[in-house]
Amino acid sequence: AQSVTQPDIHITVSEGASLELRCNYSYGATPYLFWYVQSPGQGLQLLLKYFSGDTLVQGIKGFEAEFKRSQSSFNLRKPSVHWSDAAEYFCAVGAMDSNYQLIWGAGTKLIIKP
Amino acid sequence: EADIYQTPRYLVIGTGKKITLECSQTMGHDKMYWYQQDPGMELHLIHYSYGVNSTEKGDLSSESTVSRIRTEHFPLTLESARPSHTSQYLCASSGGRGGVYEQYFGPGTRLTVT
Repeated sequence: AQSVTQPDIHITVSEGASLELRCNYSYGATPYLFWYVQSPGQGLQLLLKYFSGDTLVQGIKGFEAEFKRSQSSFNLRKPSVHWSDAAEYFCAVGAMDSNYQLIWGAGTKLIIKP
Repeated sequence: EADIYQTPRYLVIGTGKKITLECSQTMGHDKMYWYQQDPGMELHLIHYSYGVNSTEKGDLSSESTVSRIRTEHFPLTLESARPSHTSQYLCASSGGRGGVYEQYFGPGTRLTVT
């Protein structure tokens, strides 16, 4: 069965420091991969996506993610975080046999230290 | 501007009342979804629709019902609200140029049943 794992429930990073949020998936073929961000009390906003091609994808707000097939990972990175990046981040996977549904990770809460 | 709307944003209601949460999108998407999310927790799919007159139950059992009479409108109804229904409800749609898996979310409805 397809699954998405975000191993870190919470991550605390100092403002200005670099960030990496982990996402691992389980799926036989190459999936469609997404990162979403959710600010408190809000809906989810798409940060970036990977369908095919270049394995390093750029998103909004200065985020990027790298697809590593050998590790079944799609980690999200940002070189320097801002206090406004404090939010919940969700990784999701879409696959041909998932009836057009996304399989969601449990989310990682990013806390920014001043 | 193409968008997805949810009303109300916040609702406090007494036990036993019938409620309808509204969701509309102006993006021309054929697929729509309802998720239930407790604060700080993962998303659970409760209903989805592939088009007009198509509705399916999701992975999480829910006492709510949905309808899809128009492409742009996907309301969720609770016939008799209970405190266990207290949660955030997120509506999403997909099927545009981003592809069938790229979901766009509304701002959510936070429901409290007293």
